Amino acid sequence: SQKIEQNSEALNIQEGKTATLTCNYTNYSPAYLQWYRQDPGRGPVFLLLIRENEKEKRKERLKVTFDTTLKQSLFHITASQPADSATYLCALESARQLTFGSGTQLTVLP
Amino acid sequence: DAGVIQSPRHEVTEMGQEVTLRCKPISGHDYLFWYRQTMMRGLELLIYFNNNVPIDDSGMPEDRFSAKMPNASFSTLKIQPSEPRDSAVYFCASSRAGGLYEQYFGPGTRLTVT
Repeated sequence: SQKIEQNSEALNIQEGKTATLTCNYTNYSPAYLQWYRQDPGRGPVFLLLIRENEKEKRKERLKVTFDTTLKQSLFHITASQPADSATYLCALESARQLTFGSGTQLTVLP
Repeated sequence: DAGVIQSPRHEVTEMGQEVTLRCKPISGHDYLFWYRQTMMRGLELLIYFNNNVPIDDSGMPEDRFSAKMPNASFSTLKIQPSEPRDSAVYFCASSRAGGLYEQYFGPGTRLTVT
């Protein structure tokens, strides 16, 4: 069956460090993978989209990698700030729909 | 742009009552999605529309749930009769091209069925 796993439900890091979040999947062949941020009491907000033929995508302090052989995406936040604290969701495209992982709650400690 | 608008933001109802959730997508977006989020099951797709036509409703949990999109600027999700296990946050999202582009989510409706 199809499965999406995001590493550890919660991740705590020190301000200024790089946060690395993992999204692993099985039994999918997505053409696209997306990352979203969700703050408490709000809807998810789109961050980045990466296509299957792209190895890496960057946007300001954010970087996403997509390895279709390993069936894994890594999401990096460099020079992390307390304002980056939120839940981050990966989402895989399949049949023009998105299936979301359960999310990783990131806390950046000052 | 006002973004995706959902109403009500909070709904508390008793078991057996009918509940109607409303959504106004972003103008120009031709895809509309209804999701449900719970701690146990995460964010689940219930149904999505393309150009006001329901395309996939396989995520709708049972016949008590129904969704309509009478025009490009309005959609409803109805639960009749409601049950306590329907308690969740319901999100509406819209996009220009389904999963091919980013989805814009509304603020959600927190439903509590007692």
